[in-house]
Amino acid sequence: FILTQPHSVSGSPGETVTISCTRSSGSIENNYVHWYQQRPGSAPTTVIYADDQRPSGISGRFSGSIGSSSKSAFLTISGLETGDEADYYCQSYDAAGRVFGGGTRLTVL
Amino acid sequence: QVQLQESGPGLVKPSQTLSLTCTVSAGSISPDNYYWSWIRQHPGKGLEWIGSIQYSGSADYNPSLKSRVAMSVDPAKNQFSLRMTSVTAADTAMYYCARDTSFVYFDYWGPGTLVTVPS
Repeated sequence: FILTQPHSVSGSPGETVTISCTRSSGSIENNYVHWYQQRPGSAPTTVIYADDQRPSGISGRFSGSIGSSSKSAFLTISGLETGDEADYYCQSYDAAGRVFGGGTRLTVL
Repeated sequence: QVQLQESGPGLVKPSQTLSLTCTVSAGSISPDNYYWSWIRQHPGKGLEWIGSIQYSGSADYNPSLKSRVAMSVDPAKNQFSLRMTSVTAADTAMYYCARDTSFVYFDYWGPGTLVTVPS
């Protein structure tokens, strides 16, 4: 299966943005979805795991959810900060292995 | 806190074999409830899962790379390794090692190592 993300999203400081991750086949609910943040020149770090869980140290401004259509997962970032500017990747899996979305570039205007 | 560090040659000639090692510190590679993984990122592109291996040696590989990839574990050195055969310029990428948890996500990553295959 493929995970499709928008190429880019943007928002102003203080605003809320949402990034979608749509699974091409099968229900998005079948397997956990995880989200990573990658700043330029750095390895990715987890901001959401198991659909909606925040790792220790991740701001409560980051939240994850699964859409009612069972096709998409969402990463929502509220109270945007300039430090949130980065690439964001969703990731899930099936019996064939782990799959990453293509990534979304978040620009904080 | 678990730390991972990739090592290996930064330049590999076309048609040769790419070999990378990941050293795990501040944690043991032994528990079988983790997988140990390789992920790569082509310049300016997204993330691509290469494969994951358990301490026991049980491994999963990306179907698109499976014919050229093999992973192994060295518990005595707390290391795991990647071998990729018949490389081409299309294998030029940043290669990351990472720990893969029971939730099937990557909670700890190495800083990455850039491997270049000249065209």
